[in-house]
Amino acid sequence: GAVVSQHPSRVICKSGTSVKIECRSLDFQATTMFWYRQFPKQSLMLMATSNEGSKATYEQGVEKDKFLINHASLTLSTLTVTSAHPEDSSFYICSARTRGVGTVKTYEQYFGPGTRLTVT
Amino acid sequence: AQSVTQLGSHVSVSEGALVLLRCNYSSSVPPYLFWYVQYPNQGLQLLLKYTTGATLVKGINGFEAEFKKSETSFHLTKPSAHMSDAAEYFCAVNHAGGTSYGKLTFGQGTILTVHP
Repeated sequence: GAVVSQHPSRVICKSGTSVKIECRSLDFQATTMFWYRQFPKQSLMLMATSNEGSKATYEQGVEKDKFLINHASLTLSTLTVTSAHPEDSSFYICSARTRGVGTVKTYEQYFGPGTRLTVT
Repeated sequence: AQSVTQLGSHVSVSEGALVLLRCNYSSSVPPYLFWYVQYPNQGLQLLLKYTTGATLVKGINGFEAEFKKSETSFHLTKPSAHMSDAAEYFCAVNHAGGTSYGKLTFGQGTILTVHP
């Protein structure tokens, strides 16, 4: 159990366009989802926390109007990079957490496989 | 506030040798600690975790880690390295309360190289 998927796995877009990344919890209900970005050879940096049905909470320095997060259901969160620029090129990883049902623990985050965004 | 420091951005061992990846944490409350592994262009896979109870925790692929409160450490070990262990490893601490509840703070990562 506790599988998280991301789509797409890779995306290349032109500067100025918008890109949407989906994060889905496949076999559990995710009350909270987290979005991270990871630059080459660096650690994961938390961008925002989204709770189902409410607005996302962004970390300091993350532009909420540029990185739009929607968590409309208990199994889906989306990250939209608006007006993407080359400096937005990165590896974006989502994770999901639940209240805890059965073997899925409340304090664990289950990570998706990541999405490689390249902006040309 | 929680923080994590991984000592050594790169560790190189021979196949069959002991693996030791170091992690020290800072936390104002009893921490939940995690080790994750990341293979190139992939997400994170949980190796093991410490929450409460036994301080020596065993994980997947033969890895284990020991929580030492007095040393604020959570080092990751494996008795005998395998070529397939080559990857990047991240130590993380979970925020136990307040507005940061549930967030993970990651260390800088340690790249493990295994030589034949």
